[in-house]
Formats: sequence, C-alpha cells, structure tokens
Amino acid sequence: QVQLVQSGAAVKKPGASVKVSCKASGYTFTDYSMHWVRQAPGQRLEWMGWINAGNVNTKYSQKFQGRVTITRDTSATTAYMELSSLRSEDTAVYYCARSSSSSGHSFDYWGQGTLVIVSS
Amino acid sequence: SYELTQSPSVSVSPGQTASITCSGDKLGDKYACWYQQKPGQSPVLVIYQDRKRPSGIPERFSGSNSGNTATLTISGTQAMDEADYYCQAWDSSYVVFGGGTKLTVL
Repeated sequence: QVQLVQSGAAVKKPGASVKVSCKASGYTFTDYSMHWVRQAPGQRLEWMGWINAGNVNTKYSQKFQGRVTITRDTSATTAYMELSSLRSEDTAVYYCARSSSSSGHSFDYWGQGTLVIVSS
Repeated sequence: SYELTQSPSVSVSPGQTASITCSGDKLGDKYACWYQQKPGQSPVLVIYQDRKRPSGIPERFSGSNSGNTATLTISGTQAMDEADYYCQAWDSSYVVFGGGTKLTVL
C-alpha cells in the first residue's frame, strides 16, 4: 500500500533552516510528483512547491521562491523540503503529498505531517 | 496569480444535501478537486478531475465544475462529514487552494 512517512517534529530558531523528509513506499517513486503543502495553526492549506521525481524538475510558489528547496533521492525513494531564513510565521504543519497528471494533479496520498515550530 | 474563493462556512442538517462552492476565473476550463480535512488529520482527497471519486469515498460525495464555479455536493449528509473542505486547481504548473469551507452538521 502507498505510504508517505515524514520526519519528526522540529523546533528551530528564527533565521535557521529546516529540512523535512518524506519517505515513499508502495509505488514506483519516479512515476509521480511530490508536492509540499503547509498549514499554519487554524489556517488554510498553502502550497509551497513540487518536484517531478522522474526528471527532477521543480516549481515553487512565488511566496517561497528563494527560501524553499525541494529535492529527492531516488535510491532512498525520499523527497525533501528545506526552508531557510525561518521566521515565526513559518510555524506550521508541513505535508508532503503525491500527485500525477493522470489524476488532474490532485493529491491522492498525503504524509502524516511534520510540525515545525519557529521560536526564539 | 490565480485565486480560488470559498465561503467560510456552510451548515446542514443531518440527512440533507450540502453544497460547497469554489469560484475562480474560468475554473471550468481546469480540473478541480476537493479535500476533506478533520481536526488533527491530514487532508483526504474526496473528488478529483471535477467529478471522480477515489476508491473508498462514499457515493454521497459528488462534484461538478462549469463556468467559474466548482461544486462539491454531499447528499444525505452524516455527522461524520463535519470537516473543513478545500478545493484545489492546477494552473500553469502551479497549485492553488481555496480558502476552505467549514461544514457544520447540526
């Protein structure tokens, strides 16, 4: 069965970086894209960017351009999201989610979420 | 940038039909999908490509998309359907979410 398992919660200081991992299993990793979505406490879902796991192309939301980097390791079937220059407003749950063009780019599987707290 | 607009809240009585709308410029020309999110849980896809239901999603969930509006319809709403619902579309390699609608079943 398809599973996306994310790394554990993190507490970071303002100005630091955080790297969240998303281990995929149960499907051919390179046949799908991986997206990252975040949700601040009590707020809406916010899309950050995605990576085509097959050809490594990436696209980032303009809001996060320059601060976010999404990568993948095909041998480990793992995607990563690194966010730099953290500020308190980046406190949120970060999700990875799988998509494919054949499903209209919808997210059919999600990770369990990773809480990132930014606090001095 | 492209935007999707949802009403913040919708209320429905058990057994009745709930309609949640999502509006965006020429949204009908794109594929819309819908997610259900309950407190403390990851979102779950309930409708994709405007009207398709993933395996395991009850038949009472249906979708449509035309013009500037996509609609998620829940027929015979149950207490377990109380959740936040988000629409999503794909626009030129970017993903856009609506602001979410809180469905209350009372």
